[in-house]
Amino acid sequence: DSGVTQTPKHLITATGQRVTLRCSPRSGDLSVYWYQQSLDQGLQFLIQYYNGEERAKGNILERFSAQQFPDLHSELNLSSLELGDSALYFCASSPKKGGLGGPDTQYFGPGTRLTVL
Amino acid sequence: DAKTTQPPSMDCAEGRAANLPCNHSTISGNEYVYWYRQIHSQGPQYIIHGLKNNETNEMASLIITEDRKSSTLILPHATLRDTAVYYCIVRAYFSNDYKLSFGAGTTVTVRA
Repeated sequence: DSGVTQTPKHLITATGQRVTLRCSPRSGDLSVYWYQQSLDQGLQFLIQYYNGEERAKGNILERFSAQQFPDLHSELNLSSLELGDSALYFCASSPKKGGLGGPDTQYFGPGTRLTVL
Repeated sequence: DAKTTQPPSMDCAEGRAANLPCNHSTISGNEYVYWYRQIHSQGPQYIIHGLKNNETNEMASLIITEDRKSSTLILPHATLRDTAVYYCIVRAYFSNDYKLSFGAGTTVTVRA
C-alpha cells in the first residue's frame, strides 16, 4: 500500500459525458502528479500540482483539467469524453516540488479505470 | 535524462534470485538510477534508487558498476507476486522536470 488513494476504482460512462477522478496523496506529500496509461501506450504525464499550484503540464488535452485543494487532495476533470479517453488514470504523490535537488520518489495510487462507451 | 536499455523479458524460478540488468552508458554524474515495477494494471511501484553506492532495502538490492554505466536489480527470493514489468530509469539530481517516463521495461515472469 503506497498511501495514495484514488476513487473511484472503475468508471464506465458514455461519450460526451464528464467525470471527476479523485486522488488523496500520502500524508505530508505536497506534489501530486496525474498520468494516463492506455493499452497501447506507456505512462503519459498529464499534469503536476505542488501545494495547490500548477507546477508542470504534459500532454494534457484542453478537455481535461485538474486542481489541488487546500487539504492537498486533487481532482482530475475529464469532459466531452471520447472513446479514446478510455484508459487507466494514475495519481502519484511526492514530497518535493522539483528543481531543488536530490532524489524524489513518486508513489502511485491504484488507479482509476475509465471506460468510455 | 539518460536513456536506459533493458532486456525485453526474462523468466525466473520461484525462490531463486532474479537479476535484472540495465544499461545506462550515457548517465551523467548527477543522475540517479531508479527502479519501478508495474504489476498488471496496478499502479507503478517504487522499488529502489541509487547514485553510485550499492543499495538494499526490504524489496531488493541495487548494484551499480563503478563506472555507473550499468546496474543490476536483484530480487533475492522471487515469488509469483514478483511477476511484473520492471522499469529502470535515470533521473537528474537537479531537475525542474519531475515527471516519470518509462521505457518498455523488462517483463519478468516468475514460474513455480
